[in-house]
Parts: sequence; structure tokens; C-alpha cells
Amino acid sequence: NAGVTQTPKFQVLKTGQSMTLQCAQDMNHEYMSWYRQDPGMGLRLIHYSVGAGITDQGEVPNGYNVSRSTTEDFPLRLLSAAPSQTSVYFCASSRWGRGEQYFGPGTRLTVT
Amino acid sequence: QKEVEQDPGPLSVPEGAIVSLNCTYSNSAFQYFMWYRQYSRKGPELLMYTYSSGNKEDGRFTAQVDKSSKYISLFIRDSQPSDSATYLCAMNGNTGNQFYFGTGTSLTVIP
Repeated sequence: NAGVTQTPKFQVLKTGQSMTLQCAQDMNHEYMSWYRQDPGMGLRLIHYSVGAGITDQGEVPNGYNVSRSTTEDFPLRLLSAAPSQTSVYFCASSRWGRGEQYFGPGTRLTVT
Repeated sequence: QKEVEQDPGPLSVPEGAIVSLNCTYSNSAFQYFMWYRQYSRKGPELLMYTYSSGNKEDGRFTAQVDKSSKYISLFIRDSQPSDSATYLCAMNGNTGNQFYFGTGTSLTVIP
């Protein structure tokens, strides 16, 4: 099993550009989520999904969109990038919305 | 008040020492408690997972949960330089589908 994979590993955007961060898992997990990690602030939940076709907002959803058309994939879209979105983004999955959660390797995003 | 509080450290110990890492929380509905290890520029790696109160041991690592005090701990015995990382606590319960994380404690084990 590859576990949770994320692409790209690194990305530089200009303010106003849009892009999609990809996340996939091969563990047949129902629950998937996106976090951003900033120094001193820990992991903050952006959006999560409890199954295909079902998504919900987390703590910091503004400026981000998600959709979940399959169990395996959960892409995160930045609509119009801003410097405040410079961060490390992690995707995670869990069998249920409880207990063990597994993380991908992260995407380092810089917005200039 | 934050749902989960964790001392950020940094913590620096000599090789072979016993390390104690702790988190407190405010929501009594939390039932699932996790510890993650995160090396620099890597994703968090699940280290220990505990359901409800009690102890769980895995090699040099022991996780303890005291629900009456809303306090969880991770002990590392015979610490090694390879244990140098940031340790994150996390928890959730029957309150919804969100996981709540501490901000992480940075640990350095000096050879």
C-alpha cells in the first residue's frame, strides 16, 4: 500500500493564481481531510469529507474548495492564491472519523 | 480556551533519558487519543493510538490517558538521537468528525 500520497511536493504561485493540490489514498478510508501547518499554530483543519459526495468545512475554509467524487481522491483547490496561504498542506485519511488518522508527506506552497 | 493544550518546549535531553510529553484537554467527550511524531519537513507519523483511559505500551513508548484529569502523556524510555522530532498529540470523540491537535512539542536528544 502506498498509503496517503500528495502531489506536488513543492509549488510556488503568484498572487491571484489558482491551483489544485492532489491527495489520494489506497486504504479504502471513508474519512479524508486537509490541514495546513504554520509555525506556532499547529495543524488547522481546512475541509474534511466523511465519504464520496460529502464534504464539510473545518476551522479555516476560506479561500479553499474541495470535492469528493471517489473514495480514493480528495483534491484541494485554491481559488485565488494569497500570500497568507503560504503554508505546508497535509492530507490525511482515517477509516472512520474517529481514532487512527494517517497523513501524507505534505505540499509546501509559497505564494508571492 | 483551546480544545487541546500542549507545551511547545523545546525539550532537550541526553541520550538514554526518560522523556515525558503531555497534553491537557477540555472536552470530556474525547475518547480516542493519538500521538504523532513529525520529523523536520515530513508528514506526521502515527506513533500511538489509545481508546479511552489506561496505558498502552509499544517498545520504548508508553501512552497514558487519564480521562478524570483530562490529561494524556507519552513516555519515551532510553531515548535515542533518532527520537529527535516534534511530537503532536491529537484526540477526538463522539462530538463530530473533527480531530483536535496540540501545537506540538519539539524534542532534541543529545548524543
